[in-house]
Amino acid sequence: QKEVEQNSGPLSVPEGAIASLNCTYSDRVSQSFFWYRQYSGKSPELIMSIYSNGDKEDGRFTAQLNKASQYVSLLIRDSQPSDSATYLCAVNQAGTALIFGKGTTLSVSS
Amino acid sequence: DARVTQTPRHKVTEMGQEVTMRCQPILGHNTVFWYRQTMMQGLELLAYFRNRAPLDDSGMPKDRFSAEMPDATLATLKIQPSEPRDSAVYFCASAHLGSSYEQYFGPGTRLTVT
Repeated sequence: QKEVEQNSGPLSVPEGAIASLNCTYSDRVSQSFFWYRQYSGKSPELIMSIYSNGDKEDGRFTAQLNKASQYVSLLIRDSQPSDSATYLCAVNQAGTALIFGKGTTLSVSS
Repeated sequence: DARVTQTPRHKVTEMGQEVTMRCQPILGHNTVFWYRQTMMQGLELLAYFRNRAPLDDSGMPKDRFSAEMPDATLATLKIQPSEPRDSAVYFCASAHLGSSYEQYFGPGTRLTVT
């Protein structure tokens, strides 16, 4: 069974710090990797996608992918209280539905 | 502002009643997904369609759930009869598979079955 694992948290960081969120996946042929942010009572919002090994930066967010280790991470620099949410890691093979982890809850304190 | 829309946003019904949820995907997207989210199970895939054809509905309880896509702008998810264990948030998402695999979610339907 294909699985995506995340630490449920909560991960607590002070405002301005770097938050590091991690995800591992079981299916070696996975090709596409995504991070979604979900505020309480809202729908998942796509914030990052990454398809090849290495780092991808977008503003304060950096996604890191290591296919050999089957590991994806999301770094949030200069964390803000508005970043407090649940972050969902999602993985798929080309053209199939996403498999989601259960999410990591991030709490940023001011 | 392209976005996925879902109706109704909230639904409270009694056990045994039929429930129909509707989704309008982003214009031009060729793939539509239905997910269910609960605290215990997280996000689970129920079914998905590409170019209106069902590709996978293995996540759905077949005896009570059905999903259809009568045209490119409408996807429906029906539960008949509904049960209390169906209480959850149901999300529709759409994507244009072929140009990217990024899925965009609608606001969800919060279903409560009493």
